[in-house]
Amino acid sequence: NAGVTQTPKFQVLKTGQSMTLQCAQDMNHEYMSWYRQDPGMGLRLIHYSVGAGITDQGEVPNGYNVSRSTTEDFPLRLLSAAPSQTSVYFCASSYSNPRTGELFFGEGSRLTVL
Amino acid sequence: GDSVTQMEGPVTLSEEAFLTINCTYTATGYPSLFWYVQYPGEGLQLLLKATKADDKGSNKGFEATYRKETTSFHLEKGSVQVSDSAVYFCALYYGNNRLAFGKGNQVVVIP
Repeated sequence: NAGVTQTPKFQVLKTGQSMTLQCAQDMNHEYMSWYRQDPGMGLRLIHYSVGAGITDQGEVPNGYNVSRSTTEDFPLRLLSAAPSQTSVYFCASSYSNPRTGELFFGEGSRLTVL
Repeated sequence: GDSVTQMEGPVTLSEEAFLTINCTYTATGYPSLFWYVQYPGEGLQLLLKATKADDKGSNKGFEATYRKETTSFHLEKGSVQVSDSAVYFCALYYGNNRLAFGKGNQVVVIP
């Protein structure tokens, strides 16, 4: 059972480039989310989804797009990377909303934007 | 808005010492509260939770009690081990399928 799988683990981009961080889970979880983790700021919610075809914005959505075409996958797209998006990104999933369901996190993707 | 505040700074202590990490919250109503732990090189994982006032969450020797009167959810462990070295995050569910996380506390346990 792989759980939540994120790729790539490390990525370096130049300002203005675009890229997609991949997230896949094999637990048939309806809820999926993306967080970014910055030093001294904890985790901040970027976008989340409560099921295929349904997405919503979190606390810091600007500069990021998401889609949820299947239950398993929840990719995060950076449209035009900026140095302020240098961060560690975590994907998380849960069988229900995070009030009642444990969030399962991936190992993270470290992104550096030059 | 709803939020959690964790004590500032890393925590360094010796093996078998008593650990306390403070967490206070600001919220309307009675939110669910959580502690998540992040071991080196890994994603976060749920350590314990409490969903109503006076509830005590416990796991792996860690405990936290939901105190409505002091709006707190402090994490405690009576005797830490080197393997408890990690970053600990307090979190609050504030509705609309959202969790708010504190800044985290690095805990280093020295043999």
